Amino acid sequence: KAGVTQTPRYLIKTRGQQVTLSCSPISGHRSVSWYQQTPGQGLQFLFEYFSETQRNKGNFPGRFSGRQFSNSRSEMNVSTLELGDSALYLCASSFAGGSSYNEQFFGPGTRLTVL
Amino acid sequence: QKEVEQNSGPLSVPEGAIASLNCTYSDRGSQSFFWYRQYSGKSPELIMFIYSNGDKEDGRFTAQLNKASQYVSLLIRDSQPSDSATYLCAVKGRTGRRALTFGSGTRLQVQP
Repeated sequence: KAGVTQTPRYLIKTRGQQVTLSCSPISGHRSVSWYQQTPGQGLQFLFEYFSETQRNKGNFPGRFSGRQFSNSRSEMNVSTLELGDSALYLCASSFAGGSSYNEQFFGPGTRLTVL
Repeated sequence: QKEVEQNSGPLSVPEGAIASLNCTYSDRGSQSFFWYRQYSGKSPELIMFIYSNGDKEDGRFTAQLNKASQYVSLLIRDSQPSDSATYLCAVKGRTGRRALTFGSGTRLQVQP
């Protein structure tokens, strides 16, 4: 089975711009979670999507948004970029059905640098 | 108090020794516990998960869970230099809180 894929792998943007990141989960997985990883804050949860619905949301400003498509692929968008948004953005895929305990498998990440 | 706490390390062990990584969590209703390994510049890789009190073994790895003490650990037997990485403890909360909460990670160095 192919793993989680994320595109692009690297991005350089300037302050004030917006960016869209994409994630394709493992085949058959219906849940996609997004995390931000920085040296100072570690891994922080952004949001989770399941069946095209946002099921859970972390403590991030409204500039961070996401969506999920019918094929379970997900995108996240960050508007009005700030220097502090520079981070590794990770997408995690899980089956999330019935009695699943939600083992999550991470993609390679998108490294975003804001100048 | 952080929700998930880990000693940042580095934890340095000689090759062939047992490495013991520890994690404590604050939410007594937490249901499941995960250990991820992250090499520098890479994404986290799931090593093990545990749901019930006691030990769970998988090859050289053993996860231990004590819900009464709100403590989870990872033992790595016969440590190899290739085990040198940051180990992240993650906790899934009670029903309705499906997101994983991560500790800050423990950096493990295995000395040849």
